[in-house]
Amino acid sequence: SAVISQKPSRDICQRGTSLTIQCQVDSQVTMMFWYRQQPGQSLTLIATANQGSEATYESGFVIDKFPISRPNLTFSTLTVSNMSPEDSSIYLCSAHRVNSYNEQFFGPGTRLTVL
Amino acid sequence: EDQVTQSPEALRLQEGESSSLNCSYTVSGLRGLFWYRQDPGKGPEFLFTLYSAGEEKEKERLKATLTKKESFLHITAPKPEDSATYLCAVQARNQAGTALIFGKGTTLSVSS
Repeated sequence: SAVISQKPSRDICQRGTSLTIQCQVDSQVTMMFWYRQQPGQSLTLIATANQGSEATYESGFVIDKFPISRPNLTFSTLTVSNMSPEDSSIYLCSAHRVNSYNEQFFGPGTRLTVL
Repeated sequence: EDQVTQSPEALRLQEGESSSLNCSYTVSGLRGLFWYRQDPGKGPEFLFTLYSAGEEKEKERLKATLTKKESFLHITAPKPEDSATYLCAVQARNQAGTALIFGKGTTLSVSS
């Protein structure tokens, strides 16, 4: 399976600021996704990062709050804008490659704390 | 509404004590059921994908099975290194076509 790296691995931010999380895959993939994992909760899909076009957001998530870029087939960024303590969570990048395993694999996550 | 429920929330086993984790799901148009292992502070690690009722897959001490309404992850003679949170997810149809809907997970602790 491919390897995904995320930067930063963790951060502590002040209310009202923004943080951009980077996701790099070591090989080309068909689709990339951003998930959020809040304490004691399931992973929740934020959006699908589309290469060369606007991301597709799930219900409850909007572009103004979570702008996403995907300039090529191996890289994506997620920005958490105008942060509040409720945004404290782990943010996970994921990628999907169509192969015999239909595997969707994950990065190590970015642990965000908003004060 | 698409939904995944895992049980139990937590499971404590002695080394060598076999058991099963349950994942029940309701989804329109199942495209696949996934099992992941997640260690503290790490991203989920892919284990299996199952597609149709009756399918089984094995990896070391783990075996995953699928019916029309649920999946089981059987752990045979577990070792302490099997301690982790096991996540179940179903692949459903969303706007982009390949969303994963996750359960909350079962946290397994195996003591020696």
